[in-house]
Amino acid sequence: AQKVTQAQTEISVVEKEDVTLDCVYETRDTTYYLFWYKQPPSGELVFLIRRNSFDEQNEISGRYSWNFQKSTSSFNFTITASQVVDSAVYFCALSFYNTDKLIFGTGTRLQVFP
Amino acid sequence: DTAVSQTPKYLVTQMGNDKSIKCEQNLGHDTMYWYKQDSKKFLKIMFSYNNKELIINETVPNRFSPKSPDKAHLNLHINSLELGDSAVYFCASSLGQGASKQYFGPGTRLTVT
Repeated sequence: AQKVTQAQTEISVVEKEDVTLDCVYETRDTTYYLFWYKQPPSGELVFLIRRNSFDEQNEISGRYSWNFQKSTSSFNFTITASQVVDSAVYFCALSFYNTDKLIFGTGTRLQVFP
Repeated sequence: DTAVSQTPKYLVTQMGNDKSIKCEQNLGHDTMYWYKQDSKKFLKIMFSYNNKELIINETVPNRFSPKSPDKAHLNLHINSLELGDSAVYFCASSLGQGASKQYFGPGTRLTVT
């Protein structure tokens, strides 16, 4: 089965707190790609990151960082010093080299309060 | 300047009607997609086209018919609309196939009454 699970339906934090969004995936393929997308209240989907299965290096982009662990089939996303503008629904997704299909998780709604 | 655009942004119609949603991308991409996001925010692919050729058709009722007149456009026509078709429909595009980064349009909120 190919599946993405985002067990956290909703997370609320206060500004400046760090927050981690969990993503667990299932696949038997050895080559795959993982994505994170952000959907702010305005509704559009914004690409954040793509990572292939052979690259387990963690990535940092400003306040955002991603932790990819094949051993636990997880690709978690951490926002450091969260801001109100980070409030959105965040989706983790899985894809494969021989398909265009993005398999999305159910999303995690993050609310950052001032 | 808009990369992937969709029209209309909102569509309210009655059951049984036929409607179309248009999508255009100016990124020079060769692959385009339609996704459906339901009321619980679940996103699922419906179709993908590469160079005007249908690649993915995900068990979507045949009331839904995509049409790609050229690489930059992918329209979605829906016949005999049903209440369950109410959702947000997203168009996306990418360069190449195989897990490419997909750029999404702003979405079209379809409400069937």
